[in-house]
Amino acid sequence: RKEVEQDPGPFNVPEGATVAFNCTYSNSASQSFFWYRQDCRKEPKLLMSVYSSGNEDGRFTAQLNRASQYISLLIRDSKLSDSATYLCAGDRSNTGKLIFGQGTTLQVKP
Amino acid sequence: NAGVMQNPRHLVRRRGQEARLRCSPMKGHSHVYWYRQLPEEGLKFMVYLQKENIIDESGMPKERFSAEFPKEGPSILRIQQVVRGDSAAYFCASSPRRTSGRNYNEQFFGPGTRLTVL
Repeated sequence: RKEVEQDPGPFNVPEGATVAFNCTYSNSASQSFFWYRQDCRKEPKLLMSVYSSGNEDGRFTAQLNRASQYISLLIRDSKLSDSATYLCAGDRSNTGKLIFGQGTTLQVKP
Repeated sequence: NAGVMQNPRHLVRRRGQEARLRCSPMKGHSHVYWYRQLPEEGLKFMVYLQKENIIDESGMPKERFSAEFPKEGPSILRIQQVVRGDSAAYFCASSPRRTSGRNYNEQFFGPGTRLTVL
């Protein structure tokens, strides 16, 4: 079993839709989690850190469920520009070493 | 405030040659990480360095790969005697590695070096 797993998708949604991605992790010692966005042939860009209390940044909301060992990303009112691959990552036991999932591809259609 | 800088952006090498990839972290960041992304695969951790120290190299192949982060100058990832399987995008990330606070270990990525081995 991979340490961090994501549904690769693709998720095809119309503009304005709400879409949610989940990511499961197997290492319960992981402390810090992050969502990154990666456009084709570009570097990953940090979207948001994920806290136990949940955090929100505009249309994006991230949640961490330690009991069930998953993190989620909710995107409201999808825009065409949200089309990208979304990567979740965990910091294995606070070592500084990020373990990434395979990424979930989102396509927002007009 | 300049972000993480990497050069070259594209590098072509023939089998058996050496590849040197450079990374300058963001201003104020003293922690550097290297990751590799093979075509159609996810990002894989390679090595974590601080100035003059290798903290974790558990993701580095045992042979031909080495990394350094000298007191002065950029971090270097060196691949000797490259093979076709080394063709990939190599990303460098940096963090301030704060040990407390909510932004613990947020890593910011450079644009990457795309290595092609002919």
